Amino acid sequence: DADVTQTPRNRITKTGKRIMLECSQTKGHDRMYWYRQDPGLGLRLIYYSFDVKDINKGEISDGYSVSRQAQAKFSLSLESAIPNQTALYFCATSVATRTDTQYFGPGTRLTVL
Amino acid sequence: TQLLEQSPQFLSIQEGENLTVYCNSSSVFSSLQWYRQEPGEGPVLLVTVVTGGEVKKLKRLTFQFGDARKDSSLHITAAQPGDTGLYLCAGANAGGTSYGKLTFGQGTILTVHP
Repeated sequence: DADVTQTPRNRITKTGKRIMLECSQTKGHDRMYWYRQDPGLGLRLIYYSFDVKDINKGEISDGYSVSRQAQAKFSLSLESAIPNQTALYFCATSVATRTDTQYFGPGTRLTVL
Repeated sequence: TQLLEQSPQFLSIQEGENLTVYCNSSSVFSSLQWYRQEPGEGPVLLVTVVTGGEVKKLKRLTFQFGDARKDSSLHITAAQPGDTGLYLCAGANAGGTSYGKLTFGQGTILTVHP
């Protein structure tokens, strides 16, 4: 079984719709992250959370919101989707170590028409 | 803001050739990680280098961390089609505003032709 799961794996939606992407982990990690990936731009951090009561904005948080429902669950919402939010979205987890190694889910491919 | 410049962005080579991917920054990192990502999957950790000048080998892959901990390289010897994928470097910094976060390079798309 995968340690970090994401649902849905693929989603096509229309401009203006509200979308929620979900992430669950069984690794027991406190820290969770949401990234988007665009060709040639690597991974850009949207939001991150170091524990259930902690939510922090990343470098590209505008247009997104998150909810940390439990240690194992971290959801990303697009309140009103727009076409330039078409991208691959990844959830990741980690524990507090010197190296901050992160473990990624399989990703969600989101297309906004 | 910390930046990691990764080069080249694309590499297309024949099976058996050698290649090197570079990650460079003006910032010092406490550690640097290399990930590999295949289509339809998330990045998977290959290696972490922590000490300046450190060299780690993983079969045909050799990873090096610069003496000043500002740069790193990935060298693949005798590339094989199974090495095809996206390679990402990521730097960690234990303190300041980067605490608990990784800075990613833009990635290198490697294609190895049979």
